[in-house]
Amino acid sequence: EAGVTQSPTHLIKTRGQQATLRCSPISGHTSVYWYQQALGLGLQFLLWYDEGEERNRGNFPPRFSGRQFPNYSSELNVNALELEDSALYLCASSLVRGTAVHRELFFGEGSRLTVL
Amino acid sequence: QQQVKQSPQSLIVQKGGISIINCAYENTAFDYFPWYQQFPGKGPALLIAIRPDVSEKKEGRFTISFNKSAKQFSLHIMDSQPGDSATYFCAASIPSPIYNQGGKLIFGQGTELSVKP
Repeated sequence: EAGVTQSPTHLIKTRGQQATLRCSPISGHTSVYWYQQALGLGLQFLLWYDEGEERNRGNFPPRFSGRQFPNYSSELNVNALELEDSALYLCASSLVRGTAVHRELFFGEGSRLTVL
Repeated sequence: QQQVKQSPQSLIVQKGGISIINCAYENTAFDYFPWYQQFPGKGPALLIAIRPDVSEKKEGRFTISFNKSAKQFSLHIMDSQPGDSATYFCAASIPSPIYNQGGKLIFGQGTELSVKP
């Protein structure tokens, strides 16, 4: 079974440009999460999509946005890129099991965004 | 209130030794506490998890100790091996049906573990 796949692996942009990152969840998973992993800051929660709807959002400015498609894949858009947006962006997916309300997150290997 | 504080930032342990990583939280709504392991170039993967109704959970060489009154939990790696060298993240979450708060994992800052042969 294929894991969570992310593209591109690496992306180099300049300040002010826009970046689009893509994520395909594990087959059958309906929830997708986006996290930012910057050096020394751990994993910062960005966005959570479930069944096509944005369910929760972290403390990031509105220029970070995304969406989830009917096939549950997702994309993260970062507008007006700033130098501090340089980070590894991780996508994770999860599956609801019965009445479980806590879900194991399965992470992809990330997209490394560099802003020059 | 949504933070999880993790220490130490880095840890060097000799092969066969015990690695201990500590985490603390403030939000009493957290009721699920997993640990994730991340190798270089890979995404984090679930290692072990605990709920606050138990004080300890053991899986092989990995043990979580949980102190609800102190709002602290820790990961112990017994007989540490060079293959355990990775970054470890503690995390906490609120039940996902509470959409405006829940569903997401709040991660600690990570501990880079190096096990020397």
